[in-house]
Amino acid sequence: GNSVTQMEGPVTLSEEAFLTINCTYTATGYPSLFWYVQYPGEGLQLLLKATKADDKGSNKGFEATYRKETTSFHLEKGSVQVSDSAVYFCALKDSNYQLIWGAGTKLIIKP
Amino acid sequence: KAGVTQTPRYLIKTRGQQVTLSCSPISGHRSVSWYQQTPGQGLQFLFEYFSETQRNKGNFPGRFSGRQFSNSRSEMNVSTLELGDSALYLCASSLGHRDRVYEQYFGPGTRLTVT
Repeated sequence: GNSVTQMEGPVTLSEEAFLTINCTYTATGYPSLFWYVQYPGEGLQLLLKATKADDKGSNKGFEATYRKETTSFHLEKGSVQVSDSAVYFCALKDSNYQLIWGAGTKLIIKP
Repeated sequence: KAGVTQTPRYLIKTRGQQVTLSCSPISGHRSVSWYQQTPGQGLQFLFEYFSETQRNKGNFPGRFSGRQFSNSRSEMNVSTLELGDSALYLCASSLGHRDRVYEQYFGPGTRLTVT
């Protein structure tokens, strides 16, 4: 079946460090891929998306590229801020129009 | 525009009891989805309602049920609570276009603790 695997957290970085959160997926066909972010005490928000191979989604300085050959959609940011501390979820949309979620990766940014 | 609201925000129940959670979607949204979030299992899809009909269902036992009213507000019910039902229950609303299921707006969740 379809599944999403994310790197385990928490990931702890200093402010202005480079961020990578790994995400790989298993799915039939070519699903759309998403990153969501959950700030403390809030609901999830769509951060970025990519709908086909080689697409790059970007938002708020975050980027992720849909890599069909490695079935990956890693999230990157060049210089993180304390305000980026949150839980990040990778997800895919399956053929039944459901979102399949990764386990989430907690990101902690220290000043 | 007001966001998705969920009530109550926190609940403590005892094993064997039942509970009802409520979700008010964003005005104009016709689809409401429910998710269970736990540290061990992550985010799992419970069900989706669209125009008062259940349109999609996850892999949860029949103790979990829901409904949607004509004003799109939704409730979910869990009967015969078990310790493992302790979780954050998230509601998400959207306009309901299935190919744009990712355009969901999430509420802050209801934290249910079963003792």
